[in-house]
Amino acid sequence: GQQLNQSPQSMFIQEGEDVSMNCTSSSIFNTWLWYKQDPGEGPVLLIALYKAGELTSNGRLTAQFGITRKDSFLNISASIPSDVGIYFCAGTTSGSRLTFGEGTQLTVNP
Amino acid sequence: NAGVTQTPKFQVLKTGQSMTLQCAQDMNHEYMSWYRQDPGMGLRLIHYSVGAGITDQGEVPNGYNVSRSTTEDFPLRLLSAAPSQTSVYFCASRPFRTGELFFGEGSRLTVL
Repeated sequence: GQQLNQSPQSMFIQEGEDVSMNCTSSSIFNTWLWYKQDPGEGPVLLIALYKAGELTSNGRLTAQFGITRKDSFLNISASIPSDVGIYFCAGTTSGSRLTFGEGTQLTVNP
Repeated sequence: NAGVTQTPKFQVLKTGQSMTLQCAQDMNHEYMSWYRQDPGMGLRLIHYSVGAGITDQGEVPNGYNVSRSTTEDFPLRLLSAAPSQTSVYFCASRPFRTGELFFGEGSRLTVL
């Protein structure tokens, strides 16, 4: 089946630093999604990407859909304490089920 | 707008007991699904449905049953709970032609 490799598994950073995480797939996707999960909550969609090469921003977050359609990255600029949580990438082809990465646990030290 | 609502939020069962996790969505989404989340393993798909009367298995369906009698509701049944089913369960829904899943807040199940 499809597999997503998400890295890094965990990150420990200082407030104000920039963060970068990425996902690679063994298969081509036509949609990439990035989710954030706060402790004790369900994942919440941050950014959705639909075209190869697409670069999309949401505040301090920027995500890109790789041109090979097999990878995506998420950057967070000027991190703040409330950025703490687990970040998941997910990919899908048309109408099919999502495949999730294993998540990146982000810790931000004030 | 309530979105995706799951009940109960917490449940403790003994091995062999049965229970149903409830999920309801008010967004008229065709697609609904159940995931389990375990440490270090991300989100794994249990069962999903693309519309009322249609269900299918995901990656880890064994030990779970589902039904979809209405667009709004998608209950998950554990017929004979096992300790390996201790996990956090998430229900999620989306419009059929997009990948943008909306998640419930989760149900934490412990099987002793």
